[in-house]
Parts: sequence; structure tokens; C-alpha cells
Amino acid sequence: NAGVTQTPKFQVLKTGQSMTLQCAQDMNHEYMSWYRQDPGMGLRLIHYSVGAGITDQGEVPNGYNVSRSTTEDFPLRLLSAAPSQTSVYFCASRHYKGLEQYFGPGTRLTVT
Amino acid sequence: EDKVVQSPLSLVVHEGDTVTLNCSYEVTNFRSLLWYKQEKKAPTFLFMLTSSGIEKKSGRLSSILDKKELFSILNITATQTGDSAVYLCAVDGDDKIIFGKGTRLHILP
Repeated sequence: NAGVTQTPKFQVLKTGQSMTLQCAQDMNHEYMSWYRQDPGMGLRLIHYSVGAGITDQGEVPNGYNVSRSTTEDFPLRLLSAAPSQTSVYFCASRHYKGLEQYFGPGTRLTVT
Repeated sequence: EDKVVQSPLSLVVHEGDTVTLNCSYEVTNFRSLLWYKQEKKAPTFLFMLTSSGIEKKSGRLSSILDKKELFSILNITATQTGDSAVYLCAVDGDDKIIFGKGTRLHILP
């Protein structure tokens, strides 16, 4: 049972490049979320999903796309990277009945 | 708009002191309030609170929720240097979990 996995761990992009951050979980959790964390800030919700085929916007969705074609995977796409997207990105999952939310190890993204 | 406000934003105390961290919230369809501890990696879960007035305890840490006043506190007694971390409060409502900015706690030896 690997829990929540994220790849890559680190990434450097140039302004305007696109990329996809991968997130997968093997706990059959219905709910999955993407957060970003900037220095001195808590976690801000980017997008979330309550099940395969269903996604919704969080607090800071601009510049990011998501899809949820399977229960296991929830990739986050940066369409045209900007320096303001330099951050640490966490993926999380949980059972629909609530309880604990499990976090992945994070992806540190730098956009130059 | 849902929001979670934590105070203080940072706190420095000496080892052995007791600290109280505060969390107030406004959220649609409240389901639970969660506390996390974050060191140099992903947050780790501490408590989930759903009912008013019932204290949750784990060792030197305890937390309580007041659903009428939309408020929670996290207490740490007899603090140790290993308690130095960012403590995050989050609220589960309307299928999503929203976090506060956290309280950065530093324990001096």
C-alpha cells in the first residue's frame, strides 16, 4: 500500500512551458485534492474531485487544469507556467465519509 | 466565502511552557475541523473534531471545538523542542477542506 504518490519531486520550468504534476493513490479514496503552499502561507486549495469524472475549483484555480478519469489518478496541469506558480504542490486523498486526509510527499516547482 | 483564520501567526516560547493556538472559521455545511502538524514535509494529522465541547487528547496535545462560536483551540503542555513546527487548522465543508495560514511555533531550549 503506497498511499499517495506524487511525481516528480522537483521540477524547474521556464516561463510559458507546460507540464503535468502526477498524483496517484491506491486506497480507493473517492476524494482527491491539489494544494499549493507558499512561504508563510498555509495550504491553498487549487482543485478538488469527489469522484471519477467530477472536478471542481478551489480557492486558487487560475492557471491550472485537472481531470479525474480514474479513481486512482488526479493529474494537475500547468498550461503556461508563470513565476507566480513557483510553490510546493501537495496532492491529498480521503474517503468520502471524511476522517483523515492523506497527503503525498509534495512536488517543489520553480518557474524561472 | 469559506475561510479559516489562525492566531497567532507565530509564537516563540521556552521549553516547558504551555501554548494555546487559536482557529476560527466560517464555512458552508461544516462537517469537521482538523489540526495538522507540519515540519519540513507534508502535514501530519493530529486531530479531527466534529462535536462541540468534547476534548480530544493525545499525550501533551489536546483540542476542543466550539461550534456555536465557530472556534477551536489546540493546547500543547510542557512543550519540547520537538514541538517546533507549523500547526495548521483546516475545516471540512461542502466536500472540500480549506486551511488556515498556520501558526509557526518555535520552542527555545
